Amino acid sequence: EVQLLESGGGLLQPGGSVRLSCTASGFTFSSYAMSWVRQAPGKGLEWVSGISASGGSAYYADALKGRLTVSRDSSKNTLYLQMNSLRAEDTAVYYCAKNRQPYLFGDAFDFWGQGTMVTVSS
Amino acid sequence: DIQMTQSPSSLSASVGDRVTITCQASHDISKYLNWYQQKPGKAPKLLIYDASNLETGVPSRFSGSGSGTDFTFTISSLEPEDIATYYCQQYDNLPISFTFGPGTKVDIK
Repeated sequence: EVQLLESGGGLLQPGGSVRLSCTASGFTFSSYAMSWVRQAPGKGLEWVSGISASGGSAYYADALKGRLTVSRDSSKNTLYLQMNSLRAEDTAVYYCAKNRQPYLFGDAFDFWGQGTMVTVSS
Repeated sequence: DIQMTQSPSSLSASVGDRVTITCQASHDISKYLNWYQQKPGKAPKLLIYDASNLETGVPSRFSGSGSGTDFTFTISSLEPEDIATYYCQQYDNLPISFTFGPGTKVDIK
């Protein structure tokens, strides 16, 4: 059974940083591209960042470039998202999501974690 | 950037009704359009990929069609458990982009 478990969220100060983690199980993690998608309270879904299966290519939403670093550790079956210079508008549930097909990047997301809440407030 | 619009933004229908949601892309996205269902407090669930392919395990009352810029999502006979918000999502590789529509909230009348 595929499982994705996010962690690392919480109440954070504006200007601070956070590192989110997503631990995967139930599939060959190193064969699938992964993404982060966020959802502000009461709002829609927004793709934030993604990384290729090998980890060699990383992609970011234009509005967030420069503040994000996505990475993965296949030895730990874990996906990471480092966010810097946090702003109130970064307040959201952050989901990790698995690509439907192996090795491709552009694709549907067939499994999602339960999300981790990031609240940026002083 | 590709923009996605959805209509309606919300709808109320009776159990057994046919429900149709449309999604429009600002540029031709071929068949690269997916549909998700999200229930309150839950993660999204993939229902349809590549415009018209039913994801494994998804009931056959859900379907999708379209290509290019205009897409349609249909629930052939609404069930009480279908109460949710539905999102379309496009993807592209040149350059990499994933854009979700604003969502359609479906309620029971």
